[in-house]
Amino acid sequence: DAGITQSPRHKVTETGTPVTLRCHQTENHRYMYWYRQDPGHGLRLIHYSYGVKDTDKGEVSDGYSVSRSKTEDFLLTLESATSSQTSVYFCAISEPVLEQGSTGELFFGEGSRLTVL
Amino acid sequence: AQKITQTQPGMFVQEKEAVTLDCTYDTSDPSYGLFWYKQPSSGEMIFLIYQGSYDQQNATEGRYSLNFQKARKSANLVISASQLGDSAMYFCAMREDMNRDDKIIFGKGTRLHILP
Repeated sequence: DAGITQSPRHKVTETGTPVTLRCHQTENHRYMYWYRQDPGHGLRLIHYSYGVKDTDKGEVSDGYSVSRSKTEDFLLTLESATSSQTSVYFCAISEPVLEQGSTGELFFGEGSRLTVL
Repeated sequence: AQKITQTQPGMFVQEKEAVTLDCTYDTSDPSYGLFWYKQPSSGEMIFLIYQGSYDQQNATEGRYSLNFQKARKSANLVISASQLGDSAMYFCAMREDMNRDDKIIFGKGTRLHILP
């Protein structure tokens, strides 16, 4: 299994508070992603990173920011959490397709369940 | 526009029967990849199978096969001889290679129930 850990795994917070979710990998994969999963919506891409300090927005980036200062860590921050951000958040990693033998397959963390009251 | 469409929110199938989960996609990129993932009730995401747009043959992995019909832009997952453990949520996903950023977009999923 890919070495991906997410923290915290569960968090309950109040509207308006800042929240940071951490994704840590030990695989030295170049790409890292944050998705959120909600019933009826599948997985939606929030932000992704294709290298240290290189990040870009996904489908549902409003209200979220990310940072990647080291290859192994990708942080997702909710500056002021809202109830609509209650969700399960998945971090994923992959190697570029251009790398020999890579299909660009995603390896997922176990998910972080965030509840915003 | 929705890039990945899974039209079956839920399916019930008798154990040992074959199952086809539908997936259609939309892209103008000639180079792309298609994936299927399984999410059991425990919540983890499990990679099942991959098909590249230039692959000549349909991908197979054990009991899983991908029925790739490029002209119709469909990438259906076929599970042969279904088992109770196949009960899960299944997601189809696509990577477009045009932008070289490898991001992968998912469909909304199909919940499969295998009946004993």
